[in-house]
Amino acid sequence: KAGVTQTPRYLIKTRGQQVTLSCSPISGHRSVSWYQQTPGQGLQFLFEYFSETQRNKGNFPGRFSGRQFSNSRSEMNVSTLELGDSALYLCASRWDTNYGYTFGSGTRLTVV
Amino acid sequence: GENVEQHPSTLSVQEGDSAVIKCTYSDSASNYFPWYKQELGKRPQLIIDIRSNVGEKKDQRIAVTLNKTAKHFSLHITETQPEDSAVYFCARRNNNDMRFGAGTRLTVKP
Repeated sequence: KAGVTQTPRYLIKTRGQQVTLSCSPISGHRSVSWYQQTPGQGLQFLFEYFSETQRNKGNFPGRFSGRQFSNSRSEMNVSTLELGDSALYLCASRWDTNYGYTFGSGTRLTVV
Repeated sequence: GENVEQHPSTLSVQEGDSAVIKCTYSDSASNYFPWYKQELGKRPQLIIDIRSNVGEKKDQRIAVTLNKTAKHFSLHITETQPEDSAVYFCARRNNNDMRFGAGTRLTVKP
């Protein structure tokens, strides 16, 4: 079956713009989580969604938001982009609470 | 109580030696502890995991141990090979989210 699909793979935006990233989980997976990965910072938790509900949110400013649709696809939005938002954004999905995550290939966002 | 501490941040071993990476956590509600391997330019891949009701799990050259009382867990790689070179992340999950350690860059020298 298809893995976790993230689009686009690469994105270049200018400061002040907004961006929307998309994640399609593995078919049947109901949970989607988003992580920001920067060199030296590891994987920083953004938020997790399960059945269209946000279950938890990491320590990111309100410019970072997300949502999940009824088909489990998820989007992440970052408004008023800053240079420091440049990172690899990874989406991961899982079947349910007792299962591990499968990661997508990520969207590499560059803010100039 | 959310974060995971991972040590060391870098580890260099000779091919054939063992490598050990350690993580500690503080959230007592954590019930699942996976380990991910991320090669350069690739996505993190789950390599082994352990649940809170198990103390040790082994899969060929890889093993993970969990001490729930002390709130720490470790990854052990035996007979290391150059292809084991990557960044390894530990993580802990409770019912709401999964948090990762900062990663360990393992280099296996041939």
